[in-house]
Amino acid sequence: SYVLTQPPSVSVAPGQTARITCGGKNFGTKSVHWYQQKPGQAPVLVVYEDGDRPSGIPERFSGSNSGNTATLTIGRVGAGDEADYYCQVWDTFSDHVLFGGGTKLTVL
Amino acid sequence: QVQVVESGGGVVQPGGSLRLSCAASGFTFSSYGMHWVRQAPGTGLEWVALIRYDGSKKYYTDSVKGRFTISRDNSGNTLYLQMNSLRSEDTAVYFCAKDRGGATTIMDYWGQGTLVTVSS
Repeated sequence: SYVLTQPPSVSVAPGQTARITCGGKNFGTKSVHWYQQKPGQAPVLVVYEDGDRPSGIPERFSGSNSGNTATLTIGRVGAGDEADYYCQVWDTFSDHVLFGGGTKLTVL
Repeated sequence: QVQVVESGGGVVQPGGSLRLSCAASGFTFSSYGMHWVRQAPGTGLEWVALIRYDGSKKYYTDSVKGRFTISRDNSGNTLYLQMNSLRSEDTAVYFCAKDRGGATTIMDYWGQGTLVTVSS
């Protein structure tokens, strides 16, 4: 079955840029979406269709998708960005939604 | 504004049943697909089920097929998840989420979740 692979954790200093990756086979044929989840809260969509942002999401959040890897990039990271981040696709072969295992972003 | 509010969670014994509800407001419910997603304690997100806007198609993750049923009442703006033959591994917070619509499957609004605990 199709699997999405994320690093368990990423750490970055305040003001720097965080990059969170999501690996999957033949990603170029799929649209990848990203969610942010803070402790005790519901997930929030932050990037969709590889690189678009919903209204209200800062421009610091961006995404890209190339080959077998999608990347969520967060610029000028602050303490408020500490959260778990999940990538997601729709697998047309199985007709299932798939989530990556999640990446915990720590701001040092 | 768009709101989805889950209810119906609680403690149930293994083998028991529970029905979750999700009340939607702030958008034309009958025009959008809806999802259930769960999160076991300390773990990541797991998609459970999707129902298309008119209820014509339903999709399930393999571990709940034959035990869970997703349904909707478009006249009452409510989504449901009937859960039967519950197991300890079904213990989780269950989120209801609106699908954004269009060609891809994106969850653009989420509820706060309802906790289901399967325990004797």
